[in-house]
Amino acid sequence: DTAVSQTPKYLVTQMGNDKSIKCEQNLGHDTMYWYKQDSKKFLKIMFSYNNKELIINETVPNRFSPKSPDKAHLNLHINSLELGDSAVYFCASSHTSGRVNNEQFFGPGTRLTVL
Amino acid sequence: DAKTTQPPSMDCAEGRAANLPCNHSTISGNEYVYWYRQIHSQGPQYIIHGLKNNETNEMASLIITEDRKSSTLILPHATLRDTAVYYCIVRVAPHSFLQGAQKLVFGQGTRLTINP
Repeated sequence: DTAVSQTPKYLVTQMGNDKSIKCEQNLGHDTMYWYKQDSKKFLKIMFSYNNKELIINETVPNRFSPKSPDKAHLNLHINSLELGDSAVYFCASSHTSGRVNNEQFFGPGTRLTVL
Repeated sequence: DAKTTQPPSMDCAEGRAANLPCNHSTISGNEYVYWYRQIHSQGPQYIIHGLKNNETNEMASLIITEDRKSSTLILPHATLRDTAVYYCIVRVAPHSFLQGAQKLVFGQGTRLTINP
């Protein structure tokens, strides 16, 4: 009965490669997010989708492209991977605005290592 | 979003109450105080949130000062499993349709260690 799941859990790849991380939620939420946690443990939002529409797009290189095929899925594709992309990427989901309590539920994270 | 200030680390004995302070002196009237925690190698987990009244749930209590410039998260009977980094976050009304209302801005948090 996993709420927010991510695959893969670990991803090791070479610089210059293209990779994708997948996220799925079974909570019936209509807003999903990608956060990045770097080596210094700072957690920063990257993107947010509401009903498959991009609503938050922080200053992220355009090598990062989120895709939301439906409300339950938000995938992250990264082109031309760089050493600085090494981090833990967390997916999250929540109900949309309009509800008083729209806490975000986080997935277990994907540890990306770029060599 | 208003900035928050938290001590970088705290220790607490198992079974005792853990009181985690947070300063948010520039909080606006429509901003809520949220607390999340991140246990090692896991995703952040929601704990509690409030606007101006004190709140309690099965995990913790949240005490917000009358001027709303600071708050305290209380874990009443800390266990070893409560060892984590605790984040205090202020954000615009979560039920607002303002763009970015959904965004969580994490600071450095407080690393709480529960000792046996």
